[in-house]
Amino acid sequence: DADVTQTPRNRITKTGKRIMLECSQTKGHDRMYWYRQDPGLGLQLIYYSFDVKDINKGEISDGYSVSRQAQAKFSLSLESAIPNQTALYFCATSVTGGKAQYFGPGTRLTVL
Amino acid sequence: DAKTTQPNSMESNEEEPVHLPCNHSTISGTDYIHWYRQLPSQGPEYVIHGLTSNVNNRMASLAIAEDRKSSTLILHRATLRDAAVYYCIPHIIQGAQKLVFGQGTRLTINP
Repeated sequence: DADVTQTPRNRITKTGKRIMLECSQTKGHDRMYWYRQDPGLGLQLIYYSFDVKDINKGEISDGYSVSRQAQAKFSLSLESAIPNQTALYFCATSVTGGKAQYFGPGTRLTVL
Repeated sequence: DAKTTQPNSMESNEEEPVHLPCNHSTISGTDYIHWYRQLPSQGPEYVIHGLTSNVNNRMASLAIAEDRKSSTLILHRATLRDAAVYYCIPHIIQGAQKLVFGQGTRLTINP
């Protein structure tokens, strides 16, 4: 089984809808991250969480919110989806003091 | 933030070594150099990291210039599965452990 899973893997929605993307991990890591990737570009950090009670905005947090329900679960919500939020969304985890981040397989979101 | 320069694309043949260069002339003395790769339709995958000394692991080797202004990721014997976009990431903001991805190098491996 994959260490970092994301659901759904693909989602098509309409402008104005509320969408939730979920991330779960079995690695036992305390830190979790949400990134988005636009076509042909690198990843940009949306939100990150060092533990259940510590959530921080990244560089492009406007229009997004997150919830860290447990150490193993980190959800990303789009309160009112808009077309320019069409992108690939990746969840990642790391352990405090570690150097590597471990990424999930991604969710492809299309907002019509 | 440190800026990076990587070739947009490179091509190599299967079972041959591949040297992927990265320039990071504005890197600070305490920034590690990380390499990640992204295979088609997958999330990024950690490859290797280093600070000053050359590093080896099961996936690759990392050669770091003495002045730390450049580094080279070495795949000793490329396979078709190594075809991916390779990202050189020389700067992580300590608090967030943020990975600042550039556009990377798209590596094509010919059979």
